[in-house]
Amino acid sequence: GAGVSQSPSNKVTEKGKDVELRCDPISGHTALYWYRQSLGQGLEFLIYFQGNSAPDKSGLPSDRFSAERTGGSVSTLTIQRTQQEDSAVYLCASSSSRARQVNSPLHFGNGTRLTVT
Amino acid sequence: AQSVSQHNHHVILSEAASLELGCNYSYGGTVNLFWYVQYPGQHLQLLLKYFSGDPLVKGIKGFEAEFIKSKFSFNLRKPSVQWSDTAEYFCAVNPYNNNDMRFGAGTRLTVKP
Repeated sequence: GAGVSQSPSNKVTEKGKDVELRCDPISGHTALYWYRQSLGQGLEFLIYFQGNSAPDKSGLPSDRFSAERTGGSVSTLTIQRTQQEDSAVYLCASSSSRARQVNSPLHFGNGTRLTVT
Repeated sequence: AQSVSQHNHHVILSEAASLELGCNYSYGGTVNLFWYVQYPGQHLQLLLKYFSGDPLVKGIKGFEAEFIKSKFSFNLRKPSVQWSDTAEYFCAVNPYNNNDMRFGAGTRLTVKP
């Protein structure tokens, strides 16, 4: 079956512009995570969605970052007024875990490489 | 702050050498533990996981990891590496009854043929 799909795969934008990154999780997966991977850094947790519950936004680095998940499926991560330090690979992952603990593995997409010039 | 630490940033080994990658975490209480691997040009995928029971867990491709609760560690091992093991390895921790899935900075493994 299809895995986690992210688009675009690459995005180059000018500083100050807004960008939208899309994640299409595996069908039926209720849990969805966004992470950011910077050069030499680990995976930085950004936001977590579980079904129709209120998302865990505790990892969003600033109010320029927001995310939504429509209909419990596709998610969009929006970065407003992009800065050069936002350059990174943005990874989306989904899981069939329904409980608060992660008892099923995360399935990752290939990521969106964002470059802010 | 609660964290996941991988102390080796880049490890270079020759084929057939033994491997041990360190992972320590600072979360108290019960945790679920994972190792993920990212091969060049591929997405992250699960290598192995520990939820409970035998603290020595076996994963794919001959990898294993040992959970030592007293040391807050979950080190990854392989007795004899192959060139195809060249990849980046990430340790991840999920505190029990919590949404969080926190990753370490990753260790890049290069295996020379």
